[in-house]
Amino acid sequence: EAQVTQNPRYLITVTGKKLTVTCSQNMNHEYMSWYRQDPGLGLRQIYYSMNVEVTDKGDVPEGYKVSRKEKRNFPLILESPSPNQTSLYFCASSLVPPGGNYEQYFGPGTRLTVT
Amino acid sequence: AQSVAQPEDQVNVAEGNPLTVKCTYSVSGNPYLFWYVQYPNRGLQFLLKYITGDNLVKGSYGFEAEFNKSQTSFHLKKPSALVSDSALYFCAVRDYNQGGKLIFGQGTELSVKP
Repeated sequence: EAQVTQNPRYLITVTGKKLTVTCSQNMNHEYMSWYRQDPGLGLRQIYYSMNVEVTDKGDVPEGYKVSRKEKRNFPLILESPSPNQTSLYFCASSLVPPGGNYEQYFGPGTRLTVT
Repeated sequence: AQSVAQPEDQVNVAEGNPLTVKCTYSVSGNPYLFWYVQYPNRGLQFLLKYITGDNLVKGSYGFEAEFNKSQTSFHLKKPSALVSDSALYFCAVRDYNQGGKLIFGQGTELSVKP
């Protein structure tokens, strides 16, 4: 089954404790992206990757890091989480950059709470 | 700057009645427009898109959307709502400036009551 998986689905942590949210897709997609979803703000892009070893900042990259060492994986790293990073996070992938004839697939989401 | 707006935070509809979820956009150039749906505890799912062609686009689960260039709108519609349509709906537009990414609206919560 074609899918994007994320782990963990739920995470409660404390300020400053480094964490990683994993994302993996099994569709051989080149484009991957991380979004955060906040009430009233919709989805905002954090980082994206056009291919292996090619990553770039989205609209809200501060406080986040990513890596793309393999095509299928695109982990999101919070080196020193803060309460304002409490949010619902989505990973997404598509064959090419979204917005054309190819659909973007989303993972199930990771709900992060930073206290 | 390119943007998309969903003017209603919530839409309430009785089952069996038609529903409309509104979306307006602002882009330079031809718009590529999308609707996604998010069910509770799930990721976003693609519903439909407009790139070119007929102004009325048909998508999944009986939904359709009407592209109106003069009103810069792309409203989502369904002739007869189901309780199972209750979800969060997002309109999105392609951002030409950055790798073809999507710019999402703030979302509209659709509630269909029996």
